[in-house]
Amino acid sequence: SAVISQKPSRDICQRGTSLTIQCQVDSQVTMMFWYRQQPGQSLTLIATANQGSEATYESGFVIDKFPISRPNLTFSTLTVSNMSPEDSSIYLCSVEPFSPGGVNGYTFGSGTRLTVV
Amino acid sequence: SQQGEEDPQALSIQEGENATMNCSYKTSINNLQWYRQNSGRGLVHLILIRSNEREKHSGRLRVTLDTSKKSSSLLITASRAADTASYFCALGGSNYKLTFGKGTLLTVNP
Repeated sequence: SAVISQKPSRDICQRGTSLTIQCQVDSQVTMMFWYRQQPGQSLTLIATANQGSEATYESGFVIDKFPISRPNLTFSTLTVSNMSPEDSSIYLCSVEPFSPGGVNGYTFGSGTRLTVV
Repeated sequence: SQQGEEDPQALSIQEGENATMNCSYKTSINNLQWYRQNSGRGLVHLILIRSNEREKHSGRLRVTLDTSKKSSSLLITASRAADTASYFCALGGSNYKLTFGKGTLLTVNP
């Protein structure tokens, strides 16, 4: 399965600033997913990022707040813009399973723990 | 979109005991997956069961799926302190998106 390097692992940011999170995959993947996990909560999908096209955002998430780049098949970034304390969460990237036998479990990055003060 | 509902929200057991977690859902699925998360870090895939399967095993893990009742269970046998983590079920649909349940926090006491 793929190996994902996610950076930074954690950060403390001032409100009103922006943070860009990076995910590097050790193999080419078509789809990458970005999730948010608010404190004590489950994972919520923010958007799906395909190379060469605009990211597709889920209900409640907008591009101006969470711009995503997908310049190639192994890399993606998520920016959390104009941050407020409510953005304090763990952000995770994930890649599609790829197996000739069909769907397998997804691979996740190690997460970015963001605290906005 | 639908979300899995997990039960219980928290479970505390002694080492060597078995732990059972349940996941219920409301609409049709292609597959159901279980993940483990240690201390708010990344998720680790444990096991995937397809909608046409009823039971799967992987080491000390046993997963069942009852599509008529729209429920799944994860059994961890002979638990260890290292199994302490949050466990999430995730519903796989036809569009490669996963919808996660709220999770069960398992504590295994030595």
